[in-house]
Amino acid sequence: AQRVTQPEKLLSVFKGAPVELKCNYSYSGSPELFWYVQYSRQRLQLLLRHISRESIKGFTADLNKGETSFHLKKPFAQEEDSAMYYCALDSGGYQKVTFGTGTKLQVIP
Amino acid sequence: EPEVTQTPSHQVTQMGQEVILRCVPISNHLYFYWYRQILGQKVEFLVSFYNNEISEKSEIFDDQFSVERPDGSNFTLKIRSTKLEDSAMYFCASRKRPGQHTGELFFGEGSRLTVL
Repeated sequence: AQRVTQPEKLLSVFKGAPVELKCNYSYSGSPELFWYVQYSRQRLQLLLRHISRESIKGFTADLNKGETSFHLKKPFAQEEDSAMYYCALDSGGYQKVTFGTGTKLQVIP
Repeated sequence: EPEVTQTPSHQVTQMGQEVILRCVPISNHLYFYWYRQILGQKVEFLVSFYNNEISEKSEIFDDQFSVERPDGSNFTLKIRSTKLEDSAMYFCASRKRPGQHTGELFFGEGSRLTVL
């Protein structure tokens, strides 16, 4: 069975400080991993996906298969980064996307 | 930009009543999902739907739940006899097809269900 673990419910950082939101997964196949974000009063939306190795809004995430991790990082937090962040694992095919419990990022001005 | 739309945004119902939550997925999407989020808890998968049938469902999705795509545009979730523990935010999502490059899920804003 697939599982996504986000150990931190809340992460508070000061503006300008580095951010790392942790995500670990458990899956026997080849994982497809995503980060979704939910800003206040907005819908869940895709932030980034591991395959594209892109930086979105200054965030990056690297898939580490050895450690089964997909941590989300940003070198300098901004106030507008405050939101709920969900790590998600897609097992592909017709199957579900499994979400982690989410981490609330609070950037303190 | 096309969006997934959900109605109602909030529904209050009495325990034991039937509820239908409606979703209009993005028009060229082929895969449809319902998720729910109980207040303060994780986003939980309920069911996925493709080619007019359920492709996967979770243990939450018992006989009280059903889904339908009656007219090629709406995608509905029915709860036959609501229980207090069904109180949650229900999210509809759709995507073109799975895969890293195309597998982005597009979510609706959610329907908040309150069962009294």
